[in-house]
Amino acid sequence: EAGVTQSPTHLIKTRGQQATLRCSPISGHTSVYWYQQALGLGLQFLLWYDEGEERNRGNFPPRFSGRQFPNYSSELNVNALELEDSALYLCASSFGDREGATQYFGPGTRLTVL
Amino acid sequence: AQSVTQPDIHITVSEGASLELRCNYSYGATPYLFWYVQSPGQGLQLLLKYFSGDTLVQGIKGFEAEFKRSQSSFNLRKPSVHWSDAAEYFCAVGNTGGFKTIFGAGTRLFVKA
Repeated sequence: EAGVTQSPTHLIKTRGQQATLRCSPISGHTSVYWYQQALGLGLQFLLWYDEGEERNRGNFPPRFSGRQFPNYSSELNVNALELEDSALYLCASSFGDREGATQYFGPGTRLTVL
Repeated sequence: AQSVTQPDIHITVSEGASLELRCNYSYGATPYLFWYVQSPGQGLQLLLKYFSGDTLVQGIKGFEAEFKRSQSSFNLRKPSVHWSDAAEYFCAVGNTGGFKTIFGAGTRLFVKA
């Protein structure tokens, strides 16, 4: 069974540009989560999508947005990039949001903003 | 409110020695508990999880964890550490819905020869 996949592996942008990160969940999983892992800051919850809708977002500005497609894959968009957006962005998926749903993570996209 | 505390930021153990990583949680009901491992620059890999039943849970790579309700703890153990175990370990607690999974700050494990 294929795991969660993310693309690209690395992304280099300059300040003010836009970045698009992609995630494909495990087959059968309907929920996708996005986390930011900046150096020394642990996992910060960004967004949660389930069945095509945004269910919750963390404490991030509106320039962090995304969507979930009918096939449950997801896209994270970061507009007006700032230097502090440099981080590892992790995507996870789970089988819905039922009690105790286990999140499975992808390998991440390393975003570097110059 | 839910919270997860991993008291040790870094731990160094010798190869072949035993390991215990601490995790304490705060939650009103019976939690669902997880341990993940992250190698440098990689995603998180699920090591084990506890939902109910036997309080000693076996995971992958020779790891185990014990749920102690009275101490609100879910410590991760391994009897003999290998150099490849050097990584960062995250404890997490969740209940009603995957998005409410709360992650600890992580413990970085260093293994010396």
